Amino acid sequence: GENVGLHLPTLSVQEGDNSIINCAYSNSASDYFIWYKQESGKGPQFIIDIRSNMDKRQGQRVTVLLNKTVKHLSLQIAATQPGDSAVYFCAERKEGYSTLTFGKGTMLLVSP
Amino acid sequence: EAQVTQNPRYLITVTGKKLTVTCSQNMNHEYMSWYRQDPGLGLRQIYYSMNVEVTDKGDVPEGYKVSRKEKRNFPLILESPSPNQTSLYFCASSSNSVPKNIQYFGAGTRLSVL
Repeated sequence: GENVGLHLPTLSVQEGDNSIINCAYSNSASDYFIWYKQESGKGPQFIIDIRSNMDKRQGQRVTVLLNKTVKHLSLQIAATQPGDSAVYFCAERKEGYSTLTFGKGTMLLVSP
Repeated sequence: EAQVTQNPRYLITVTGKKLTVTCSQNMNHEYMSWYRQDPGLGLRQIYYSMNVEVTDKGDVPEGYKVSRKEKRNFPLILESPSPNQTSLYFCASSSNSVPKNIQYFGAGTRLSVL
């Protein structure tokens, strides 16, 4: 939505830079994690996921890193483009459940 | 095309006037969920459904009702809307299969209660 980005931490980068968006999750019993992208006026869209038995997973221009020791998740976007400007959410799923718990989100602003 | 469809996209109503927001998915997903999104609070789950005729409260269920009579539909009902229910609402669906159950979201319904 138009005002989703209010009150959110913001990361501002130049086009072509690499971006790193961080997320701390809360539940050590979480076994599955997802990153979503939400553009203005749209619903969250799936970007990439990772299971808890993995440390790293790569997609097209995106990489997710999982550090279970400190309960930290990061999303790396290579060669960031203006079209990457959006709010990014991490979500965690507790083992054995279908329900996801979402982080508050980070706004990524990419300048040409 | 696989999608989650919400209607209406925008709605302005008055306090106390019952309304329903519809949600339909064409992916044969078992799991469906409603969220509200407010600035600074992120996505909060209202209700969810693991399958037909099975619904459960999420984190913020007060003032809302849902039903799941068919697998594809999961309407959200506000029996007596109040101004604090002004928000952006999202419906989502996923399969119940483990270990991966990516939730797919609708485009959202922006509700204003006057």
